[in-house]
Amino acid sequence: EIVLTQSPGTLSLSAGERATLSCRASQSVSSSYLAWYQQKPGQAPRLLIYGASYRATGIPDRFSGSGSGTDFSLTISRLEPEDFAVYYCQQYGSSLTFGGGTKVEIK
Amino acid sequence: EVQLLESGGGLVQRGGSLRLSCAASGFTFTNYAMSWVRQAPGKGLEWVSGISGNGDSTNYADSVKGRFTISRDNSKNTLFLHMNSLRDEDAAVYYCAKWGSTSCCYPGMDVWGQGTTVTVSS
Repeated sequence: EIVLTQSPGTLSLSAGERATLSCRASQSVSSSYLAWYQQKPGQAPRLLIYGASYRATGIPDRFSGSGSGTDFSLTISRLEPEDFAVYYCQQYGSSLTFGGGTKVEIK
Repeated sequence: EVQLLESGGGLVQRGGSLRLSCAASGFTFTNYAMSWVRQAPGKGLEWVSGISGNGDSTNYADSVKGRFTISRDNSKNTLFLHMNSLRDEDAAVYYCAKWGSTSCCYPGMDVWGQGTTVTVSS
C-alpha cells in the first residue's frame, strides 16, 4: 500500500498569503493518479485537483497542483477567507489512499 | 443537479450488520465508477471500497476486506455498502462519491454525498 504523508500538519497563514502544501508518497506515484481535496468543517470533501495538476470544474485558478514521482504539492497563490480548511491528497494506484491532511488555519 | 444522498446509518452493536444506501440523481449512473469513503470522528479520510460502472469490478481497503460488500443497482440508480462484523473502528461518517470522467488520468471523486453516520456500540 502506498502511504501518503502530508506536511505540515497545520499551516498558519493570513488572508492574501501564499500557501504551499506538501504530499510525499512512500513509493512512486504516477502523476496521472494524484488528486487533492478540500474539506471544511461539517462538509463533504470537494475535489480541487486531479491528474496532479488539472483543476476540477469550478475551481479558481489560485489553486494549482504540481509534482511527480514521490513529491507533490498544492499551492494556493493568495489565500481567500473561504480557503481556510483541511486539504487532503489522494493517490490511485494498486489501491487508493489518502494522506493525513493539512489544516490551513487563520494566523 | 447532480446529487448523492446516503441513508442507512445508525447505531449498531459490535459484531452487527448494517446496509448503507446512496441514491444518485442528475447523471447517468451506470456510466460512472463509485466509491465509499469514511471519516472517523476527528480523523482524516479513508477510502473503503469502489465499484465500476457496470458493477463487474470491485475493490476494498484491507481494513474491511471480507466484511464489507459494495454493490449497485443501476436500474434504481443506487449504490450500496453491506457491512458485517462491525467493529469499534468502523464507526465513522460514510460518504458515497462519484468518480469523474477524463481521458487523461485518474479523474478523482467529483461529487460527494452529505454522509451518513455509523455508530458502533459495545
